[in-house]
Amino acid sequence: GQQLNQSPQSMFIQEGEDVSMNCTSSSIFNTWLWYKQDPGEGPVLLIALYKAGELTSNGRLTAQFGITRKDSFLNISASIPSDVGIYFCAGRRQGGSEKLVFGKGTKLTVNP
Amino acid sequence: SQTIHQWPATLVQPVGSPLSLECTVEGTSNPNLYWYRQAAGRGLQLLFYSIGIDQISSEVPQNLSASRPQDRQFILSSKKLLLSDSGFYLCAWRASGVPRNEQFFGPGTRLTVL
Repeated sequence: GQQLNQSPQSMFIQEGEDVSMNCTSSSIFNTWLWYKQDPGEGPVLLIALYKAGELTSNGRLTAQFGITRKDSFLNISASIPSDVGIYFCAGRRQGGSEKLVFGKGTKLTVNP
Repeated sequence: SQTIHQWPATLVQPVGSPLSLECTVEGTSNPNLYWYRQAAGRGLQLLFYSIGIDQISSEVPQNLSASRPQDRQFILSSKKLLLSDSGFYLCAWRASGVPRNEQFFGPGTRLTVL
């Protein structure tokens, strides 16, 4: 099935650094979501985006819905050790409202 | 508030044995329900989704099946497990008829088939 292209696949950073990851698609999406998954747990919704160009923040996290509606990015500022986990982007296509398409995830490691 | 439960949390089963994983949601009515599988280090693969009792859509042909015997209960089953069925199984729910509502995931079931 279709998947989103999420990059990078993994990141190793020092505590305090900023992080940026993105997702791209060949199709237009009308919703972009970002989830975080801690080891052995289910993903938790971080940010939801519904409008092209929308920029939304959740604490140190900021995500944007690309103008072309084919991409989205997530930034984490001033990373801390608890930011460790796998971040997934997900999108919903127009007319496919019951299904989310997921990226393969970005595994983030933060060194204290 | 709404909560989602999955049972069991972990399971080790021999090849060829049957499977039954349970997902229940509390605090909402007529939710949309989903089963996903996550292989190690991989993304999420949608297996089944349901918009109502006995209304189940299958996304991937396989030896798994799903049932929704009650409004807030979603069951994932297999008659004979394969080695390739190992993985992390996630149930999710989404409020129906509510604009801008999204999927919320349960804690997952870790299945190992030996």
